[in-house]
Parts: sequence; structure tokens; C-alpha cells
Amino acid sequence: GAVVSQHPSRVICKSGTSVKIECRSLDFQATTMFWYRQFPKQSLMLMATSNEGSKATYEQGVEKDKFLINHASLTLSTLTVTSAHPEDSSFYICSAEGLAENEQFFGPGTRLTVL
Amino acid sequence: AQSVAQPEDQVNVAEGNPLTVKCTYSVSGNPYLFWYVQYPNRGLQFLLKYITGDNLVKGSYGFEAEFNKSQTSFHLKKPSALVSDSALYFCAVRDMWTDSWGKLQFGAGTQVVVTP
Repeated sequence: GAVVSQHPSRVICKSGTSVKIECRSLDFQATTMFWYRQFPKQSLMLMATSNEGSKATYEQGVEKDKFLINHASLTLSTLTVTSAHPEDSSFYICSAEGLAENEQFFGPGTRLTVL
Repeated sequence: AQSVAQPEDQVNVAEGNPLTVKCTYSVSGNPYLFWYVQYPNRGLQFLLKYITGDNLVKGSYGFEAEFNKSQTSFHLKKPSALVSDSALYFCAVRDMWTDSWGKLQFGAGTQVVVTP
């Protein structure tokens, strides 16, 4: 099956710093990638949808200037958490959708802890 | 707007017994339905999907689900549960009629606990 990777798997940073998370589709071209946030024992909350070469579409309530998304190629999307604060600590999961457009493949997630 | 309901926060079952995880949905058009499983600190693993065709869908690890249009349900089932099936299960729906972006709406999740 299709494989999606995320890097890093875990990151701890100081408050005020920026953190970049990469999401890669390893064996297929992803026309669309999605970024989710998950709090402990809760469901996934969609943050934004990104298409290669265009601006991301953010869900209501998600600050686009705080969560910068870049989808520079058909295999790579990045999420940058700018000026991170402790409340940004969470589990961030990306997914990628290929040309079949009826299934999303999920990355393993990135645990962000902001001190 | 699309929505998904998983009415049970947790399901407890003894190993070897049948397992059912409930899911109901609401969409404007035709639904694409999915089940995913998540182990602690891991991403989501795909179990199965319903797009069209047979209402009974067979998926990974012995799981299956039945699409019931009249009851707008898509319950996940396994005839004989294993301790290793203990995990968090998510039902998700995508409304192909109104959502061209392919956004998935997830249920709240159901924690499955299988005891030896």
C-alpha cells in the first residue's frame, strides 16, 4: 500500500521557537495533502488542506500565520508551527491523497512538545 | 454538512467473542465511508472502505463492515476478537457530492479493549 512518512516523529522545543514538520508520500504522487491535529484521546481535527503549487485552505479557527503550510512538490508538504507556545503541544498527523481520490493515507504522526 | 457519530466511547469484549463498533453518518449526497485504527502514539491505519457495490465490505485483519443506507450506518465487526485488536477505532465519512476537496469527517473514536 501507499506509504506516507513524517519527520520528525517527536520534537521538543522552547516556547517562541519555530518547528517544521515534513510529510512525504514515498511511493506515489499526492495531489492533495491534509494536516490534522489530535489531542489526547480525542478525534482528529482537520487544520488545513493543501494542493501542490497553491495556497493551503485552512479550516475555520486555524491561524494561517501561525501554522504555515507549504506544498512545494507532489511528494512533500511541510507544516511550520511559528512562535510555538505550550498550547501548541499536540500530535500532528498528515495524510496524502493520490490520483485515485478516494482514500487518504496517513503518516505516523509527530508529537510536538513546547516547553 | 457531513457528520459521523460513534455512540460508544469504549467497547469491552473478551478475547474470542464477536466485536462490533458502531458508526452512523449523515451526508447530503453519496457517502464514502472508512474505518481506521490507531495504536498509541501512532498514525491511523486503514482498515476498510465503502465506495459503492456490495454492502458488506471486508478489510484488513479480519474486520468487515456493513453499509446500511436505510439506517445510515456502517458498523465495524470482527467475528472473533484478539487482544491485539485493543486500540482506538475511527469511522470517517466523505461526502462526494458536496465536497470536492476530499475532506474526511471523523467520528469521536471508540476505544476497544479486548481482555484475555
